[in-house]
Amino acid sequence: SQTIHQWPATLVQPVGSPLSLECTVEGTSNPNLYWYRQAAGRGLQLLFYSIGIDQISSEVPQNLSASRPQDRQFILSSKKLLLSDSGFYLCAWTSGGRTDTQYFGPGTRLTVL
Amino acid sequence: AQSVTQLGSHVSVSEGALVLLRCNYSSSVPPYLFWYVQYPNQGLQLLLKYTTGATLVKGINGFEAEFKKSETSFHLTKPSAHMSDAAEYFCAVSVSYGNNRLAFGKGNQVVVIP
Repeated sequence: SQTIHQWPATLVQPVGSPLSLECTVEGTSNPNLYWYRQAAGRGLQLLFYSIGIDQISSEVPQNLSASRPQDRQFILSSKKLLLSDSGFYLCAWTSGGRTDTQYFGPGTRLTVL
Repeated sequence: AQSVTQLGSHVSVSEGALVLLRCNYSSSVPPYLFWYVQYPNQGLQLLLKYTTGATLVKGINGFEAEFKKSETSFHLTKPSAHMSDAAEYFCAVSVSYGNNRLAFGKGNQVVVIP
């Protein structure tokens, strides 16, 4: 069966520090991968999605970036965090079929101080 | 562009009463519609989805939703609320078939009153 992992689970970082969040999927190959951010009272905002290695699409201009160095690994990064980057970050995957469900990871709670 | 609207960020329901969460969508193509549930500090879990076929869709935990094209709605219901139903619920619509992007509503925080 397929599983999706995210780490770390929680992170507290000072403003201006770098960021690296990792997401990995097991039990499938060539998944579509997604990064979302969930801020209080604002629902889910799609940040990036990827349909293959080194194929990244950005949905929202920001100081974040994403990379997919391996088929089942998706990394969210920042060179300098802002206070507004605080939130709950969720990674998701789907096999890519037209009606397929997005399956979500457990999330990373990021607090920028 | 495809979008969903969920009204009422917080919904209170008595234990044993009907749970009704409203979702209206906008889509220029035949929509695929989803309801997800999120418990505190966890990821989202699929409750049910509509793609094609039967318009009444049954999901996990006793929830169901009905696709009504004429009303552009996909409301979620459960006949009898349980304390364990306290969570946040999100409606979503497919944005693009090619990459399975979804557009989510802002969510409904459900509080169950004993």
